[in-house]
Amino acid sequence: SQQGEEDPQALSIQEGENATMNCSYKTSINNLQWYRQNSGRGLVHLILIRSNEREKHSGRLRVTLDTSKKSSSLLITASRAADTASYFCAVSGTYKYIFGTGTRLKVLA
Amino acid sequence: SAVISQKPSRDICQRGTSLTIQCQVDSQVTMMFWYRQQPGQSLTLIATANQGSEATYESGFVIDKFPISRPNLTFSTLTVSNMSPEDSSIYLCSVASSGSGETQYFGPGTRLLVL
Repeated sequence: SQQGEEDPQALSIQEGENATMNCSYKTSINNLQWYRQNSGRGLVHLILIRSNEREKHSGRLRVTLDTSKKSSSLLITASRAADTASYFCAVSGTYKYIFGTGTRLKVLA
Repeated sequence: SAVISQKPSRDICQRGTSLTIQCQVDSQVTMMFWYRQQPGQSLTLIATANQGSEATYESGFVIDKFPISRPNLTFSTLTVSNMSPEDSSIYLCSVASSGSGETQYFGPGTRLLVL
């Protein structure tokens, strides 16, 4: 299975700290995407990184991709209480997307 | 980006009944996907629904249990048939403008509880 596996499963930090989440996968991919989900609601797309890219930034988000290690990381800098959510990576090899197990992030005010 | 709505947003159903979930997109899209998210779990792809052809189901999901319609490029339905408590989940539809190279956008989800 291509399913991404994320670690840590849960992360609790203080507001203002940085949060890093990792995603590993098993096979070749076309791209990797990160999503946020608040309280069991719909997923919000955060960032897409293609297989030929190594790093992308979007606001306080920084994503890296290492295809040799089949892994990606999501860094959220200067975290806020509103960042509290579950974060999922999704990998795409053909036409469909396979989601990781998710990281539950809690940012304490 | 696409704006996606789902109906109903939530429902409580009795076992043995069926529920049809609607997914509406504000623009024409090639690919629509249906996912299930069981409590505390990640998303599992149920099927891919392309207009003009039968849905493609993932391993563990069958058409008799989850019939899907895709009558046009902006609309799809997923029916959860003969429900049991194990079907209690969030059901999400998503769209992509083309294949795996594009961003996937999600609807708000339908929260289903089967008693």
